[in-house]
Amino acid sequence: GQQLNQSPQSMFIQEGEDVSMNCTSSSIFNTWLWYKQDPGEGPVLLIALYKAGELTSNGRLTAQFGITRKDSFLNISASIPSDVGIYFCAGQGGSSNTGKLIFGQGTTLQVKP
Amino acid sequence: DGGITQSPKYLFRKEGQNVTLSCEQNLNHDAMYWYRQDPGQGLRLIYYSQIVNDFQKGDIAEGYSVSREKKESFPLTVTSAQKNPTAFYLCASSIQGGYYGYTFGSGTRLTVV
Repeated sequence: GQQLNQSPQSMFIQEGEDVSMNCTSSSIFNTWLWYKQDPGEGPVLLIALYKAGELTSNGRLTAQFGITRKDSFLNISASIPSDVGIYFCAGQGGSSNTGKLIFGQGTTLQVKP
Repeated sequence: DGGITQSPKYLFRKEGQNVTLSCEQNLNHDAMYWYRQDPGQGLRLIYYSQIVNDFQKGDIAEGYSVSREKKESFPLTVTSAQKNPTAFYLCASSIQGGYYGYTFGSGTRLTVV
């Protein structure tokens, strides 16, 4: 099935550092979503983006809906140990309108105290 | 509180046995999904249902079966035909089309012994 290109695949950073990750697609989407999965749990929605160019924040998290509608970015500022987990991007609608979300492969984040 | 419940959290199965994973939601969502997650890998779609009494195969449906007799319930059966069933299974639900994203359950970890 179709998947998004999410990078980096994994990150190992020092507490307090900022983090950036992104997703790209060959297809345009109407909605971009970012999820976080804690170890042994299901993914939880962090941020949803509905408009090209939109920039949305949720605490230390900031995400952007790319102007081309083919990419999205997630930034985490001043990382803390509880930021550890897997971050997934997902796209919905647009030219790949299957009625289902298309997920990236995930970015595994580890934070060293 | 509305949510989606998966049970059990941990499940052990002997080789050659079928096993059924439960997924119940009280969010009044029309659509429900089953994903498989292996270590270091992303989410792979097994089956999905957009309406009661109807479901479609995802990317890795072989060795699995589902039913959707009630809006609230979407059980997944892992059959003996599934060659490598040990994995983390995630159930999710959404409104039609997934515009606001999916709500995930907390997962079931299946181990074949």
